[in-house]
Amino acid sequence: SQTIHQWPATLVQPVGSPLSLECTVEGTSNPNLYWYRQAAGRGLQLLFYSVGIGQISSEVPQNLSASRPQDRQFILSSKKLLLSDSGFYLCACLGTGKETQYFGPGTRLLVL
Amino acid sequence: GESVGLHLPTLSVQEGDNSIINCAYSNSASDYFIWYKQESGKGPQFIIDIRSNMDKRQGQRVTVLLNKTVKHLSLQIAATQPGDSAVYFCAERPPPRAAGNKLTFGGGTRVLVKP
Repeated sequence: SQTIHQWPATLVQPVGSPLSLECTVEGTSNPNLYWYRQAAGRGLQLLFYSVGIGQISSEVPQNLSASRPQDRQFILSSKKLLLSDSGFYLCACLGTGKETQYFGPGTRLLVL
Repeated sequence: GESVGLHLPTLSVQEGDNSIINCAYSNSASDYFIWYKQESGKGPQFIIDIRSNMDKRQGQRVTVLLNKTVKHLSLQIAATQPGDSAVYFCAERPPPRAAGNKLTFGGGTRVLVKP
C-alpha cells in the first residue's frame, strides 16, 4: 500500500521568507498528487494537483506555487510568505487506477 | 495540536451510543463519495466510500447511506468509542473525472464522545 511522507511536520517562518514543503510517496507509480490547505477549524481547500511529472494545475490564485520534479515527489513553494499563508498543508495521493485519495500527515505552517 | 473544530458543527454522543453524521453534497452528477476521519494534528484518514450506483455500504462499525434524490450522505458509527472523537469530512467526486479526479469536501463535523 502507498505511504505518503511530508516534511517538515511543523514550520515557523517570518513574513517575506521563502517556503519549500516536500511530499514524497512510496508504494505506487504515476500517481495523481494534490496539495490542500486547511485553516484552523475549516475544511480542505485544494491548491494544486498534478497528473504527472512537470504537470501542475492551480486551483486558486495565490502566493504559492507547486512543482513535480519526480514521479513521486511534489513540492509546494513560495518566494515570499504572507501572514495569510499560515495553515495546515496536506499532500494527498491517488494511485493509478484507484479511486480514493489518501493523505499524508501534514505540515503545520505558522507565518509570523 | 491542530485546532480543527473551532468553527465546526459538533455532535456530542455518549460512549456506546450510535452516531449519525450528515452531509449534503452539491453536485447531482457526482459518482463517488468518501468519508474521512481527521484527528487533531493529523491528516484525514479514509473510513469508507460508496459509489453512486449504491445506496448503502457497510464496514466495520460504520455504514454509509447515500440518498441521491436529496443529495444527502450520512455516516453511521455503531457503539461509538472514545477513539471515534475526531472531525469527519465527506467528499464527493464531481465530473469531469478527467480533471485530475478532484474531490470536493464538505465543511466537516466534530464528534465528541462522552465517557
